[in-house]
Amino acid sequence: DAGVIQSPRHEVTEMGQEVTLRCKPISGHNSLFWYRQTMMRGLELLIYFNNNVPIDDSGMPEDRFSAKMPNASFSTLKIQPSEPRDSAVYFCASSLAALGGRLDNSPLHFGNGTRLTVT
Amino acid sequence: GQNIDQPTEMTATEGAIVQINCTYQTSGFNGLFWYQQHAGEAPTFLSYNVLDGLEEKGRFSSFLSRSKGYSYLLLKELQMKDSASYLCAVRLTNDYKLSFGAGTTVTVRA
Repeated sequence: DAGVIQSPRHEVTEMGQEVTLRCKPISGHNSLFWYRQTMMRGLELLIYFNNNVPIDDSGMPEDRFSAKMPNASFSTLKIQPSEPRDSAVYFCASSLAALGGRLDNSPLHFGNGTRLTVT
Repeated sequence: GQNIDQPTEMTATEGAIVQINCTYQTSGFNGLFWYQQHAGEAPTFLSYNVLDGLEEKGRFSSFLSRSKGYSYLLLKELQMKDSASYLCAVRLTNDYKLSFGAGTTVTVRA
Protein backbone atom coordinates (compact mmCIF):
# COMPACT_ATOMS: atom_id res chain seq x y z
CA ASP A 1 0.00 0.00 0.00
CA ALA A 2 1.51 3.30 -1.12
CA GLY A 3 -0.15 5.36 1.58
CA VAL A 4 -1.48 8.88 1.12
CA ILE A 5 0.56 10.71 -1.50
CA GLN A 6 0.92 14.48 -1.48
CA SER A 7 2.67 16.81 -3.86
CA PRO A 8 4.68 18.91 -3.86
CA ARG A 9 6.68 18.23 -0.67
CA HIS A 10 7.86 21.81 -0.54
CA GLU A 11 6.47 24.95 -2.15
CA VAL A 12 7.97 28.41 -1.96
CA THR A 13 6.01 31.18 -3.61
CA GLU A 14 5.55 34.91 -3.53
CA MET A 15 2.60 36.66 -2.01
CA GLY A 16 -0.25 36.96 -4.45
CA GLN A 17 0.57 33.83 -6.41
CA GLU A 18 -1.78 30.87 -6.76
CA VAL A 19 -0.81 27.67 -4.96
CA THR A 20 -2.24 24.23 -5.68
CA LEU A 21 -1.63 21.30 -3.36
CA ARG A 22 -2.44 17.77 -4.48
CA CYS A 23 -3.42 14.60 -2.69
CA LYS A 24 -4.01 10.98 -3.63
CA PRO A 25 -5.75 9.08 -0.82
CA ILE A 26 -5.28 5.43 -0.01
CA SER A 27 -7.19 3.30 -2.50
CA GLY A 28 -10.57 2.24 -1.13
CA HIS A 29 -10.77 4.95 1.51
CA ASN A 30 -14.00 6.93 1.43
CA SER A 31 -13.06 9.99 3.48
CA LEU A 32 -10.42 12.63 2.76
CA PHE A 33 -9.27 15.41 5.05
CA TRP A 34 -7.16 18.54 4.61
CA TYR A 35 -5.38 19.77 7.76
CA ARG A 36 -2.99 22.67 8.33
CA GLN A 37 -0.30 22.61 11.01
CA THR A 38 1.52 25.59 12.49
CA MET A 39 3.43 26.08 15.72
CA MET A 40 0.89 28.62 16.95
CA ARG A 41 -2.35 26.82 16.11
CA GLY A 42 -1.38 23.15 15.95
CA LEU A 43 -3.23 20.78 13.62
CA GLU A 44 -6.40 22.39 12.29
CA LEU A 45 -8.99 20.79 10.04
CA LEU A 46 -9.69 22.84 6.93
CA ILE A 47 -12.19 20.66 5.08
CA TYR A 48 -13.16 17.05 4.66
CA PHE A 49 -14.95 14.96 2.06
CA ASN A 50 -16.92 11.76 2.33
CA ASN A 51 -17.54 9.82 -0.89
CA ASN A 52 -16.14 12.84 -2.79
CA VAL A 53 -18.72 15.21 -1.30
CA PRO A 54 -17.59 18.10 0.95
CA ILE A 55 -19.08 17.51 4.40
CA ASP A 56 -17.55 20.23 6.55
CA ASP A 57 -15.64 23.24 5.23
CA SER A 58 -16.06 25.39 8.32
CA GLY A 59 -12.30 25.35 8.87
CA MET A 60 -11.47 26.96 5.55
CA PRO A 61 -10.00 30.33 6.54
CA GLU A 62 -11.58 32.48 3.86
CA ASP A 63 -12.62 32.65 0.23
CA ARG A 64 -9.01 32.51 -0.89
CA PHE A 65 -9.04 28.80 -0.04
CA SER A 66 -10.90 26.21 -2.10
CA ALA A 67 -10.81 22.43 -2.28
CA LYS A 68 -12.10 19.93 -4.77
CA MET A 69 -12.38 16.18 -5.00
CA PRO A 70 -13.35 15.33 -8.59
CA ASN A 71 -13.00 11.58 -8.02
CA ALA A 72 -12.19 9.06 -5.31
CA SER A 73 -8.47 9.11 -6.01
CA PHE A 74 -7.62 12.79 -6.21
CA SER A 75 -8.12 16.03 -4.33
CA THR A 76 -6.70 19.54 -4.58
CA LEU A 77 -6.43 22.44 -2.17
CA LYS A 78 -5.98 25.80 -3.82
CA ILE A 79 -4.99 29.14 -2.33
CA GLN A 80 -5.52 32.18 -4.52
CA PRO A 81 -4.06 34.67 -3.83
CA SER A 82 -1.56 33.37 -1.29
CA GLU A 83 -0.41 35.44 1.69
CA PRO A 84 2.57 35.08 4.09
CA ARG A 85 0.23 34.00 6.90
CA ASP A 86 -0.70 30.93 4.85
CA SER A 87 2.80 29.55 5.45
CA ALA A 88 2.35 26.18 7.17
CA VAL A 89 2.53 22.45 6.62
CA TYR A 90 -0.57 21.19 4.86
CA PHE A 91 -1.47 17.56 5.48
CA CYS A 92 -3.90 15.40 3.57
CA ALA A 93 -5.31 12.34 5.33
CA SER A 94 -7.72 9.58 4.38
CA SER A 95 -9.74 6.95 6.19
CA LEU A 96 -12.29 4.22 5.63
CA ALA A 97 -15.11 5.68 7.69
CA ALA A 98 -17.96 3.62 9.08
CA LEU A 99 -21.55 4.49 8.28
CA GLY A 100 -23.06 7.21 10.43
CA GLY A 101 -24.08 6.22 13.92
CA ARG A 102 -21.81 3.21 14.14
CA LEU A 103 -18.76 3.05 16.34
CA ASP A 104 -15.92 4.13 14.11
CA ASN A 105 -12.40 3.07 15.01
CA SER A 106 -10.93 3.90 11.63
CA PRO A 107 -7.85 6.06 12.08
CA LEU A 108 -6.80 8.82 9.75
CA HIS A 109 -3.74 8.02 7.64
CA PHE A 110 -1.67 11.09 6.90
CA GLY A 111 0.43 11.95 3.89
CA ASN A 112 3.91 13.42 4.32
CA GLY A 113 2.58 16.94 3.97
CA THR A 114 3.41 19.96 1.85
CA ARG A 115 5.52 22.62 3.50
CA LEU A 116 4.32 25.93 2.08
CA THR A 117 6.32 29.13 2.41
CA VAL A 118 4.82 32.35 1.13
CA THR A 119 7.23 35.28 1.02
CA GLY B 1 -16.61 23.72 20.12
CA GLN B 2 -14.14 21.15 21.33
CA ASN B 3 -11.63 21.64 24.14
CA ILE B 4 -8.77 19.15 24.23
CA ASP B 5 -5.91 19.76 26.68
CA GLN B 6 -2.58 18.09 27.07
CA PRO B 7 0.74 19.22 28.57
CA THR B 8 3.09 21.07 26.27
CA GLU B 9 6.32 19.28 27.13
CA MET B 10 7.65 16.33 29.11
CA THR B 11 11.15 15.04 29.64
CA ALA B 12 12.15 11.55 30.75
CA THR B 13 15.17 9.28 30.90
CA GLU B 14 15.88 6.37 28.58
CA GLY B 15 14.38 3.18 30.02
CA ALA B 16 11.87 5.05 32.18
CA ILE B 17 8.09 5.39 31.93
CA VAL B 18 6.21 8.52 30.91
CA GLN B 19 2.46 9.17 31.14
CA ILE B 20 0.90 11.81 28.87
CA ASN B 21 -2.49 13.01 30.03
CA CYS B 22 -5.30 14.34 27.86
CA THR B 23 -8.55 15.86 29.01
CA TYR B 24 -11.41 16.72 26.71
CA GLN B 25 -14.72 18.54 26.80
CA THR B 26 -16.64 17.83 23.63
CA SER B 27 -20.18 17.82 22.37
CA GLY B 28 -20.56 14.11 21.78
CA PHE B 29 -17.90 11.40 21.74
CA ASN B 30 -17.13 8.55 19.38
CA GLY B 31 -13.58 7.61 20.26
CA LEU B 32 -10.19 8.95 21.27
CA PHE B 33 -7.03 8.48 19.23
CA TRP B 34 -3.34 8.94 20.00
CA TYR B 35 -0.85 9.84 17.29
CA GLN B 36 2.94 10.13 17.28
CA GLN B 37 4.65 12.79 15.19
CA HIS B 38 8.40 13.00 14.77
CA ALA B 39 9.81 16.39 13.84
CA GLY B 40 9.32 17.11 10.16
CA GLU B 41 7.19 14.04 9.60
CA ALA B 42 3.50 13.13 9.39
CA PRO B 43 1.44 12.03 12.40
CA THR B 44 1.18 8.24 12.67
CA PHE B 45 -1.59 6.34 14.42
CA LEU B 46 -0.76 4.75 17.79
CA SER B 47 -3.97 3.76 19.55
CA TYR B 48 -7.75 4.03 19.77
CA ASN B 49 -10.08 3.92 22.79
CA VAL B 50 -13.86 4.17 22.81
CA LEU B 51 -14.75 2.12 25.90
CA ASP B 52 -13.44 2.75 29.40
CA GLY B 53 -10.29 0.91 30.26
CA LEU B 54 -6.78 0.18 29.17
CA GLU B 55 -5.60 -0.85 25.70
CA GLU B 56 -2.10 -2.26 25.55
CA LYS B 57 0.12 -2.43 22.48
CA GLY B 58 3.62 -3.49 23.29
CA ARG B 59 5.48 -0.67 25.06
CA PHE B 60 2.56 1.71 24.56
CA SER B 61 -0.75 1.65 26.45
CA SER B 62 -3.71 4.00 26.33
CA PHE B 63 -6.41 4.48 28.94
CA LEU B 64 -9.83 6.11 28.72
CA SER B 65 -12.39 7.27 31.27
CA ARG B 66 -15.43 8.61 29.43
CA SER B 67 -17.16 9.84 32.58
CA LYS B 68 -14.13 11.97 33.44
CA GLY B 69 -13.32 13.05 29.89
CA TYR B 70 -9.79 11.79 30.45
CA SER B 71 -7.24 9.67 28.68
CA TYR B 72 -3.56 8.95 29.05
CA LEU B 73 -0.87 7.43 26.88
CA LEU B 74 1.73 5.41 28.76
CA LEU B 75 5.13 4.89 27.18
CA LYS B 76 7.23 2.21 28.87
CA GLU B 77 10.91 1.31 28.52
CA LEU B 78 11.56 4.62 26.81
CA GLN B 79 13.95 4.67 23.89
CA MET B 80 15.65 7.64 22.26
CA LYS B 81 13.50 7.12 19.16
CA ASP B 82 10.40 7.83 21.28
CA SER B 83 11.36 11.52 21.34
CA ALA B 84 8.46 13.04 19.41
CA SER B 85 5.22 14.96 19.74
CA TYR B 86 2.21 12.95 20.92
CA LEU B 87 -1.20 14.15 19.80
CA CYS B 88 -4.51 13.35 21.45
CA ALA B 89 -7.53 13.50 19.10
CA VAL B 90 -11.27 13.05 19.58
CA ARG B 91 -13.93 11.92 17.13
CA LEU B 92 -17.44 13.18 17.79
CA THR B 93 -20.69 11.28 17.43
CA ASN B 94 -21.84 10.88 13.81
CA ASP B 95 -18.74 12.60 12.53
CA TYR B 96 -15.75 11.50 10.49
CA LYS B 97 -13.14 14.09 11.37
CA LEU B 98 -10.71 14.16 14.29
CA SER B 99 -10.18 17.22 16.47
CA PHE B 100 -6.60 17.36 17.74
CA GLY B 101 -5.02 18.67 20.89
CA ALA B 102 -1.93 20.85 20.62
CA GLY B 103 0.40 17.90 21.25
CA THR B 104 2.91 17.00 23.95
CA THR B 105 6.58 17.09 23.05
CA VAL B 106 8.41 14.25 24.79
CA THR B 107 12.18 14.42 25.04
CA VAL B 108 14.02 11.25 26.01
CA ARG B 109 17.44 11.80 27.55
CA ALA B 110 20.25 9.27 27.85
